[in-house]
Amino acid sequence: AQSVTQLGSHVSVSEGALVLLRCNYSSSVPPYLFWYVQYPNQGLQLLLKYTSAATLVKGINGFEAEFKKSETSFHLTKPSAHMSDAAEYFCAVSGGSNYKLTFGKGTLLTVNP
Amino acid sequence: NAGVTQTPKFQVLKTGQSMTLQCAQDMNHEYMSWYRQDPGMGLRLIHYSVGAGITDQGEVPNGYNVSRSTTEDFPLRLLSAAPSQTSVYFCACRQGEITEAFFGQGTRLTVV
Repeated sequence: AQSVTQLGSHVSVSEGALVLLRCNYSSSVPPYLFWYVQYPNQGLQLLLKYTSAATLVKGINGFEAEFKKSETSFHLTKPSAHMSDAAEYFCAVSGGSNYKLTFGKGTLLTVNP
Repeated sequence: NAGVTQTPKFQVLKTGQSMTLQCAQDMNHEYMSWYRQDPGMGLRLIHYSVGAGITDQGEVPNGYNVSRSTTEDFPLRLLSAAPSQTSVYFCACRQGEITEAFFGQGTRLTVV
């Protein structure tokens, strides 16, 4: 079985500050990891994904994440927050040839002017 | 190329009514799934399908049925709606285990 834990259901930062959203996973097989963003009243949009190539993954809108196997983590970062980054962010894991995608509970990011 | 299309976008049901949430994809992906999203709970898998004629239960299947007669369509049926099924429902498709899932815009369902 696979699971995802997102630490912090709500993160608040100032515009221009570093964004750090935490994700830890549990998987008995090599994981594939994803970060999605959801803007209000919309569906989920892929930010970036890790599929066993480079451990540092760059995504859209200036976000990146680093896969750390020893820490079972896949934290999402952005050097400088923008007002438009305010949204809910979901970390997800899959693997083991079963196609299922298991999501964390989400982190709501608020960006203050 | 519409991707994943869900209908309706909004629906209000009375307790005990049945209805079908439609999901269609034009990406020719074999894997399709239904999730429900509730505040503070993330997305939870209801049912999924790895191809036409093959479906299986996810984490929260009770009260829902699915069928998959074609690659394109994956409807979700509520048999007898209950207030606990008030939620936002998302359909997704996926090509393989290392690829991302593509999501529809969601159906916001309220059961009164």
